[in-house]
Amino acid sequence: GESVGLHLPTLSVQEGDNSIINCAYSNSASDYFIWYKQESGKGPQFIIDIRSNMDKRQGQRVTVLLNKTVKHLSLQIAATQPGDSAVYFCAEIPAGGTSYGKLTFGQGTILTVHP
Amino acid sequence: DTGVSQNPRHKITKRGQNVTFRCDPISEHNRLYWYRQTLGQGPEFLTYFQNEAQLEKSRLLSDRFSAERPKGSFSTLEIQRTEQGDSAMYLCASSLLASFSGNTIYFGEGSWLTVV
Repeated sequence: GESVGLHLPTLSVQEGDNSIINCAYSNSASDYFIWYKQESGKGPQFIIDIRSNMDKRQGQRVTVLLNKTVKHLSLQIAATQPGDSAVYFCAEIPAGGTSYGKLTFGQGTILTVHP
Repeated sequence: DTGVSQNPRHKITKRGQNVTFRCDPISEHNRLYWYRQTLGQGPEFLTYFQNEAQLEKSRLLSDRFSAERPKGSFSTLEIQRTEQGDSAMYLCASSLLASFSGNTIYFGEGSWLTVV
């Protein structure tokens, strides 16, 4: 079936380094992609999103890149901080308004930032 | 704005018992979603409501699961005859129909269920 998956289950970085978290998706009809951060015992928290007609979008310290040719999504975090330690999920929304909000999540990448 | 509120946050129950979780969405949000998340996995869609109408149910939602949103505000998710495989975190999210942006889908903190 269609799914969203991640290349790396864990990522450890030093404070101040840049982090890159990757995600592969298989549903070429997906129209919208979102990155979420989830801290232990909490619900997912929105980080940044991107529509399928874009290839890059920047936020505060974060950048999302979308490569539709190879169905690949990445999240770049600049100057990673200990507070960035969490599980990161990519999620997709297929095209079609009635499905809006019905997210398909990937497995997640655990990011650990060492001081 | 108190965000999406879920109760109880933690529930331990014996196999075979019924449990009910409640979700209070952000006021005026007309869409409400339930997801299930097991350890190490991403959330999986269960069902969603637009106002009081339940518009879609996942195949994950067996006959033992029922969700309601009687007045288009809060929602309940009931699991009957719980099984150990039901142990998971049940997440609720809400959004406005008119919005189409990832940052307008708000998740609650989740309700942890442990079936022993």
